[in-house]
Amino acid sequence: NAGVTQTPKFQVLKTGQSMTLQCAQDMNHEYMSWYRQDPGMGLRLIHYSVGAGITDQGEVPNGYNVSRSTTEDFPLRLLSAAPSQTSVYFCASSRQWNTEAFFGQGTRLTVV
Amino acid sequence: AQTVTQSQPEMSVQEAETVTLSCTYDTSESDYYLFWYKQPPSRQMILVIRQEAYKQQNATENRFSVNFQKAAKSFSLKISDSQLGDAAMYFCAYRGAYYGGATNKLIFGTGTLLAVQP
Repeated sequence: NAGVTQTPKFQVLKTGQSMTLQCAQDMNHEYMSWYRQDPGMGLRLIHYSVGAGITDQGEVPNGYNVSRSTTEDFPLRLLSAAPSQTSVYFCASSRQWNTEAFFGQGTRLTVV
Repeated sequence: AQTVTQSQPEMSVQEAETVTLSCTYDTSESDYYLFWYKQPPSRQMILVIRQEAYKQQNATENRFSVNFQKAAKSFSLKISDSQLGDAAMYFCAYRGAYYGGATNKLIFGTGTLLAVQP
C-alpha cells in the first residue's frame, strides 16, 4: 500500500514550457486535490475532484488544468509555465471530502 | 470566508519540555473540523491530530493534545516531552463539515517552525 505517490520529486522548467505532475493513490479514495506551498503562505488549493469525471477549481486555479479519468489518478497540468509557478506542489487524497487528507511527498518545481 | 491564523512563525523548546503552538480561526459555520499537520524537513505532510467541532472533549494522540476553545475560535497544540524528531513546521488547518462551496477545501495557516534544542 503506497498511499499517495507523486512524480517527479523535483523539476526545472523554462518559461513557456508545459508539463504534467503525476499523482496516484491506491486507497480507493474519492476525493483528491492539488495544493501549492509557498513561503509564508501555507498551502493553497489549486483544483480538486470529488470523484472520477468531476473536477472543480480551488483558490488559485489559473495556469493549471486537471482531469480525473480514473479514481486512482489526478494529474496536474501546467499549460505554459511562468516563474510565479515556482513552488512546492502537493497532491492529497481522502476517503470522503471531509475526512483525513493523506499527502504525497511533494514536487519542487522551479521555473526559470 | 474562513481564515486560519498562526501568529508564531517560529518557536523553540528544550528536549523533554512542553511547548504550545497557537492557532485561531474565523468562521461563521457551527460545525467543522480542525487539524494539525506536521511537515518535517522531508517535506511529507503528516496528520498529527484532528478535532471535530461538535465534540467538546479535546483530542489527544500520545504526547500531542489540543486545547479547543470553540467560543474563542482557538485551537492550540500542546506537545509534551518534546523530542528531537518533533522539530518540523506545524500547520493548523480548517475544513467545513458541510459539502459545498469554499468549505470543501482544507484552509491552512501559514505555519509555525518548531525547533527542539538538545
